[in-house]
Amino acid sequence: QVQLVQSGAEVKKPGDSVKVSCKASGYTFAGYYIHWVRQAPGQGLEWMGWIKPESGDRNNAQKFQGWVTLTRDTSISTTYMDLSRLTFDDTAIYYCALEECSGGHCTGAFDIWGQGTMVTVSS
Amino acid sequence: QSALTQPPSVSGSPGQSVTISCTGTSSDVSAYKRVAWYQQFPGTAPKLMIYEDSNRPSGVPDRFSGSKSGNTASLTISGLQSEDEADYYCTSYTTTSTYIFGTGTKVTVL
Repeated sequence: QVQLVQSGAEVKKPGDSVKVSCKASGYTFAGYYIHWVRQAPGQGLEWMGWIKPESGDRNNAQKFQGWVTLTRDTSISTTYMDLSRLTFDDTAIYYCALEECSGGHCTGAFDIWGQGTMVTVSS
Repeated sequence: QSALTQPPSVSGSPGQSVTISCTGTSSDVSAYKRVAWYQQFPGTAPKLMIYEDSNRPSGVPDRFSGSKSGNTASLTISGLQSEDEADYYCTSYTTTSTYIFGTGTKVTVL
């Protein structure tokens, strides 16, 4: 059974950085993309970026260029989302989600989601 | 890049059909066959309901269907049931190899 398990809740101060992890199990690390999506309290979903764990290729939404870094550790099937220079507006649930690609064809479907990680920015 | 436009809310009685629209541009919705729809209940992660504009993953009831015309994609729920009351989001791949979500629609079953 494919699962994405994320790290636990974080409380940070403005200006801090936060690193959220997403560990995949029950799936080969090759042939898929991991996406990061956030949801502020009472708000909608916001796509942040993707990383292809097999190659390390990545891309962020323009809004997050320069302050969101996506990385991976293939030895432990884990990807990371690093968000710097936190402000109160970054208080949100952060999700990772898996997009399966087969034979180079990607569906654009986020099939599996992590449980979410609550990041609270508070002074 | 602005979010795709969805109506804030739609409602219907049990058994009726409701349709949620998702309007984008030629750089996203109409550029590829990669519009997806997600259902989300409060406090839970989103669930994939439709992918590649109109495909349904296994396990999703066939009363959920997707379509697209030009820059607007649509999700139709036929035979509305009380358990369909949730928030729904569309998303699309874009010409800059990124994704963009819709603003979200709350479906209420009267």
